[in-house]
Amino acid sequence: ETGVTQSPTHLIKTRGQQVTLRCSSQSGHNTVSWYQQALGQGPQFIFQYYREEENGRGNFPPRFSGLQFPNYSSELNVNALELDDSALYLCASSFGLAGNEQFFGPGTRLTVL
Amino acid sequence: SQQGEEDPQALSIQEGENATMNCSYKTSINNLQWYRQNSGRGLVHLILIRSNEREKHSGRLRVTLDTSKKSSSLLITASRAADTASYFCATDGPGGSYIPTFGRGTSLIVHP
Repeated sequence: ETGVTQSPTHLIKTRGQQVTLRCSSQSGHNTVSWYQQALGQGPQFIFQYYREEENGRGNFPPRFSGLQFPNYSSELNVNALELDDSALYLCASSFGLAGNEQFFGPGTRLTVL
Repeated sequence: SQQGEEDPQALSIQEGENATMNCSYKTSINNLQWYRQNSGRGLVHLILIRSNEREKHSGRLRVTLDTSKKSSSLLITASRAADTASYFCATDGPGGSYIPTFGRGTSLIVHP
C-alpha cells in the first residue's frame, strides 16, 4: 500500500507568480483534501475533491484552484502569489466523505519572496 | 466557528510523566479526531472518536469525549522523548460537514 506523496518538497517563488502543487492519494482512496498551514498555526482547509468533483471549499480566494484526476491524484494551483501564501501545503486522502480517517502527505513548503 | 481549540498551547514534561491535552469546540459534532505533527511535517492520525462514544484507547493514548461540555481530552501515558510533537484536534466543519477543522494545536516537549 503506497502512502500519500506530495511534490515538490520545497518551492521558492516570487510575488505574482503561479504555482502548481501535486498530490498522489493513497491506494483505494477517492477523496483528497488540501490544507494550508502557516507557521505556528493549525492546518486551514482549502478545498476537498471527491471522485473528481469539488465537495467543499474553505475561506480562500478564487486564485486558489484545484483539480482531481481519474486516478484520484490531485493538483493545487495558486495564481498571483502573495507573500502571505508562504506556508506548508498539506494534502490528505481518505475514502468517502463520512468523516473517515485522513492520511496526510509530508507537505510542500512554499516560500514566496 | 466549529473549530476546536486546544489547551494548553504548550506543555513541557519529563519522560515517564503523563501528558494531558484538552480540546474545546462550539457546536455539535459528528466526530472528533486527534492528530500528531512532528516538526512541521505531515500529520499523523491518532484516534477518531464519534459523538456517541465517550472513551477510546490506542496503546498509550486515551481519548475522552464529553459532548455535554463540548470538550475532549487526549492523555498520553508514560511519555517518551519521541512523543515530542504538536497535537491537534479536528472537529467537523461548518454545517455539520465531515471536513475536519483544526485548532492551533498543543506543542508538547518531553525531556529525556
